[in-house]
Amino acid sequence: QVQLVQSGAEVKKPGASVKVSCKASGYTLTAYYMHWVRQAPGQGLEWMGRINPNTGGTTYAQKFQGRVTMTRDTSISTAYMELSGLRSDDTAVYHCVRESGGIHDYFDYWGQGTQVTVSS
Amino acid sequence: EIVLTQSPGTLSLFPGERAILSCRASQGLTSSLNFLAWYHHKPGQAPRLLIYGASSRAPGIPDRFSGSGSGTDFTLTISRLEAEDFGVYYCQEYGPSSWTFGQGTKVEIK
Repeated sequence: QVQLVQSGAEVKKPGASVKVSCKASGYTLTAYYMHWVRQAPGQGLEWMGRINPNTGGTTYAQKFQGRVTMTRDTSISTAYMELSGLRSDDTAVYHCVRESGGIHDYFDYWGQGTQVTVSS
Repeated sequence: EIVLTQSPGTLSLFPGERAILSCRASQGLTSSLNFLAWYHHKPGQAPRLLIYGASSRAPGIPDRFSGSGSGTDFTLTISRLEAEDFGVYYCQEYGPSSWTFGQGTKVEIK
């Protein structure tokens, strides 16, 4: 069965960077786009961007351009999301999400989420 | 960039009642295939896909959930609320270069 297992919670200081991993199993990482979505406390879901694990090509939401980098290591079926210049309002749960593929590009599988806390 | 506005913000209903959730797009969706999805999110769990293509139920989703609409106005209807249906419901426009969520509608079970 498809599973996306993310790395554990992180606590970072303002200005630092965080790198979250997402290990895929039950399917071939390179066959489906991987997205990253976050949810800040009391807020809704926010799309950050996606990576084509086959080519490494990325599309980022305008809000995160210049601060987010999405990469992958196909040898270990793992995708990564790195966010730099952390601020307190980056405190959120970060999810990796698989895009379904085909004509409709909705999200079909979600990672369990990684809590990132930014605090001095 | 399309902005999705959901209403109402909160819906408080008894089990067995009908819930009607609205999602309005700031401009018509780019595809006639209506790339609009609905997700159900409970605290501490990952969101679950309910509807895609505005009206197609995802596998395993009960038929009390239905989606409709096109262009700029979309609706999720839960015909008979059950206790497990509490949580937040999000609409989402997907592809080809942006995946935007609405701000969510919270459904409370009385």
